[in-house]
Amino acid sequence: AQSVTQPDIHITVSEGASLELRCNYSYGATPYLFWYVQSPGQGLQLLLKYFSGDTLVQGIKGFEAEFKRSQSSFNLRKPSVHWSDAAEYFCAVGLKISNFGNEKLTFGTGTRLTIIP
Amino acid sequence: EPEVTQTPSHQVTQMGQEVILRCVPISNHLYFYWYRQILGQKVEFLVSFYNNEISEKSEIFDDQFSVERPDGSNFTLKIRSTKLEDSAMYFCASRPTRGGAAGELFFGEGSRLTVL
Repeated sequence: AQSVTQPDIHITVSEGASLELRCNYSYGATPYLFWYVQSPGQGLQLLLKYFSGDTLVQGIKGFEAEFKRSQSSFNLRKPSVHWSDAAEYFCAVGLKISNFGNEKLTFGTGTRLTIIP
Repeated sequence: EPEVTQTPSHQVTQMGQEVILRCVPISNHLYFYWYRQILGQKVEFLVSFYNNEISEKSEIFDDQFSVERPDGSNFTLKIRSTKLEDSAMYFCASRPTRGGAAGELFFGEGSRLTVL
């Protein structure tokens, strides 16, 4: 069964500093990979996704992520964080069902990002 | 921008009571989901629904749970007899058709259920 590990429960970063959130997955085939963000009181918003092709994917709000098959990782990065980036970030892996697309997602436990001035 | 809406945002209920959580998915979406997040834990898949029937469910989704699309717009999750461990944030999600962005789920803001 697929699984997702986010080793950092909580990260604190200064505003303007760079950010990297780690995500490792376990899945037998090439996975669909996602990063979602959950701001306080909000639902889950898709930041970016990887299906195939270029291993560096760009998302919304200036985020990017790199798929590294050899490391089973899909780390999220941002060169300069803003106070509004404070939120919970979830990495997820989806089942690749070719005739149907993703049926369901398996989420990691999330990383809470705090931004300090 | 179209969005998934959920009601209520917060419901408090007594153990053993029935609860119905409501969702209005994005209008041209055909695949619907419920996920839940127990406080401090990961978001977990409960059930997916397509063409008026369940297409997949997790082991969490036992006989106490049911889903329905009663009128072509609402998508409901019913918990027949709530237990303390049902306390969680419940997220509804929908997805475009197969020709759309496969795998991209659009989530609602969640319904927080507190069972006392």
